[in-house]
Formats: sequence, C-alpha cells, structure tokens
Amino acid sequence: GDSVTQMQGQVTLSEDDFLFINCTYSTTWYPTLFWYVQYPGEGPQLLLKVTTANNKGISRGFEATYDKGTTSFHLQKASVQESDSAVYYCVLGGGNTGKLIFGLGTTLQVQP
Amino acid sequence: AQTIHQWPVAEIKAVGSPLSLGCTIKGKSSPNLYWYWQATGGTLQQLFYSITVGQVESVVQLNLSASRPKDDQFILSTEKLLLSHSGFYLCAWSLDLGDQDTQYFGPGTRLLVL
Repeated sequence: GDSVTQMQGQVTLSEDDFLFINCTYSTTWYPTLFWYVQYPGEGPQLLLKVTTANNKGISRGFEATYDKGTTSFHLQKASVQESDSAVYYCVLGGGNTGKLIFGLGTTLQVQP
Repeated sequence: AQTIHQWPVAEIKAVGSPLSLGCTIKGKSSPNLYWYWQATGGTLQQLFYSITVGQVESVVQLNLSASRPKDDQFILSTEKLLLSHSGFYLCAWSLDLGDQDTQYFGPGTRLLVL
C-alpha cells in the first residue's frame, strides 16, 4: 500500500545549524507531497506543498524537492532557530478520497 | 477568513461512557471535512471524511461514528468508550477531495479514557 517513511524520530541541533530531515514515499502514482509542522498542543499546520507540476516548495526558509527518481521529499533548512522546534510530518496526498497519509514524524529540538 | 473550532478542548471520560466531539467551520461554505486521531506520541490517522451534509465515509474502524448534521458541523461520537480511544482528535477541512488540496487542521480535542 501507499506509505511514507521518516527514519529520524528525533533530531537535536543548535541554532544556525543545517537541518535535513529524510522522507521517502511509496505509491503507484505521482502524489502531491506535503510537509506539516505541529507545535505542542496544537493541530498540524501546512509548512509547504509540492505537486508534480512544480517540483520544489519553499516556505519560511524551509525547502523540499520532489524527486520522482528516488521517491524522496527531504526537508532542509540552512539555519535553524529555537522557534523551529516542533514535530515535522512528511505527508502523502492520497488521491480522490482526501486521505492524507502521515509519516511517523520527526521531533526537532533546537538548542539556543 | 476561515476559522475552525473544536469542542471540548479536553475531556476525561470513563471506559464505557458515551462521547461526542464537535467541529465547526466558519467562513467557508460546503467544505470537505475530516476527522483524524493521533495517539499520544504517535502519528495522525484519518478516521472519516465528508463531502456534504448527511454523507460520511469511514476510513478506519475504531468503534467510532461520525455525522455531518449541518454544512459547517462535523460530529464524532461513540456510545461506549474504550481505553484505546485516548488520544488527540483533530478536525480538518479542505476545498476539494483531490489530493492536491491542502487540509487545514483545528486546534484538536485531547481525550483521556480511564
């Protein structure tokens, strides 16, 4: 079945470090891919979205590139801040039922 | 601007008791609506979706039911809670069911079943 894999459960960085969160997906079609971010006690909010048409998403200093060849959608940021501490979910758009398939999430902790 | 409101904010309930959680969307007519469940420390799992009043589709069976009595309202309920129902319940809306469409999540309801 369709799935999303995030191998990193927890990432701890210092401010101004480079962030890289791995995400790979498995589907039989070319889905829309999302990164959602969830702060403690809140619902997830969209960070960025990439469709097959546009390949790359950039938002708030984060970027992700849709790579059909390696079926990957890694998230990067050049310089993290303490306020970026949150859980990041790689999400697969699930076709015409509106089902979003969430990865297990990566908890990012940024130390001052 | 669209707003999404969920109630209650949190609940502590006994095993075997009934449950009703609500979600209201303001500022958008005929949205698609969704219920998600998140176990503590876990990922999100879609439970139900609805494209119109009175029509609800189940995605995962968790001994829960959902209804859409009004265009802007989505209700999640059960007559008998289980311990496994504990977690964070999130309502979301979108403009379209197509997978390119973004889903916007509410603030969630935290449920603890004892």
